[in-house]
Amino acid sequence: DTEVTQTPKHLVMGMTNKKSLKCEQHMGHRAMYWYKQKAKKPPELMFVYSYEKLSINESVPSRFSPECPNSSLLNLHLHALQPEDSALYLCASSYYLGYEQYFGPGTRLTVT
Amino acid sequence: DQQVKQNSPSLSVQEGRISILNCDYTNSMFDYFLWYKKYPAEGPTFLISISSIKDKNEDGRFTVFLNKSAKHLSLHIVPSQPGDSAVYFCAARGLNSGGSNYKLTFGKGTLLTVNP
Repeated sequence: DTEVTQTPKHLVMGMTNKKSLKCEQHMGHRAMYWYKQKAKKPPELMFVYSYEKLSINESVPSRFSPECPNSSLLNLHLHALQPEDSALYLCASSYYLGYEQYFGPGTRLTVT
Repeated sequence: DQQVKQNSPSLSVQEGRISILNCDYTNSMFDYFLWYKKYPAEGPTFLISISSIKDKNEDGRFTVFLNKSAKHLSLHIVPSQPGDSAVYFCAARGLNSGGSNYKLTFGKGTLLTVNP
């Protein structure tokens, strides 16, 4: 199994909503990542978990809250988002930090 | 400050010919470089990588060349196929601002179109 899965595929939420994005991998990877990608831009790193511990937080606003319940799962909790947070949110994993990252298909988020 | 640059936003080639995608970087501390391919509405797919101790890595139709002195790398696709049409991102591995962990820095991407 060489796949990273993400749910939901699409999400529309209001600015007062609370929602969560989910990412799962069963490749035994020990590092997992959240990226944000706007149209025609490269992926922008948000958070990195290594061995289930938060390793990197790229100064992301607190309305984004990551969680790594176990080595296979990564969540991104969303609260009080702004319309400018609308983007494709990508999850990735790698064997260890700094190794090739394998990406999921992304969640297309629209904040209204 | 853009540390990884892909100066060509798009490239168009004929099927069967060679595609050459270029990438320049400014940070001499980068030690590992990767190429990703991305189709619309999908996540990036890892293609090929190269360590800074090498100058060439080949995998089937894909070859990556690294010129450390020029801080330049390129991806060659031979022969190009219509299914190769996608956005190609160059990425480089380096330490994060805290100096403790590796992160990938991506270029802005080049849209490759392979015409039948």
